[in-house]
Amino acid sequence: QKEVEQNSGPLSVPEGAIASLNCTYSDRVSQSFFWYRQYSGKSPELIMSIYSNGDKEDGRFTAQLNKASQYVSLLIRDSQPSDSATYLCAGHTGTASKLTFGTGTRLQVTL
Amino acid sequence: GAVVSQHPSWVICKSGTSVKIECRSLDFQATTMFWYRQFPKQSLMLMATSNEGSKATYEQGVEKDKFLINHASLTLSTLTVTSAHPEDSSFYICSASRDFDLNTEAFFGQGTRLTVV
Repeated sequence: QKEVEQNSGPLSVPEGAIASLNCTYSDRVSQSFFWYRQYSGKSPELIMSIYSNGDKEDGRFTAQLNKASQYVSLLIRDSQPSDSATYLCAGHTGTASKLTFGTGTRLQVTL
Repeated sequence: GAVVSQHPSWVICKSGTSVKIECRSLDFQATTMFWYRQFPKQSLMLMATSNEGSKATYEQGVEKDKFLINHASLTLSTLTVTSAHPEDSSFYICSASRDFDLNTEAFFGQGTRLTVV
């Protein structure tokens, strides 16, 4: 099993809908997770971080962490065309500050 | 958020030459920085961990003699691609974290697109 796994997509949702992005992780990954958004040709930018079981909300974004099932998700409400990007899930492995990334899920928000 | 600056943002070089990429943490000190490479439509792949004042730690399969890393100060790490070849053409990105506990996020530089012709 890969340390951090994501469905590569593309995930296509209509404008205004909720986009749900999922990520699973192995035992080697520690219990802090991050969602990054990456536009084509650009470097990743942090969207959300989550460390505790449950939900964490920030504007239109909600991160969910379930440690028992080893998955973390990102919900984007009222999806906009500008949300179209690749979303990377990341968790710490090994050295405290070393992040391991999933392959990313490409999100397409259609008009 | 913290700012990490990477330079240059793009570079074109001839095959066989060397290219140096700089990564700076502008508003915090970073004992550790990370260098990633990303090929088109693929995920970030960690190349090496840059440690201030000591040798870098390279991931399996990354040639340390080809990708020279120097982390001479707490705010600057450099990656030099030596004797570059077309297959080294890629998007190189650095990152740095402010603290070293498990809850710290990584801040990324803008990335450097390297094209070797």
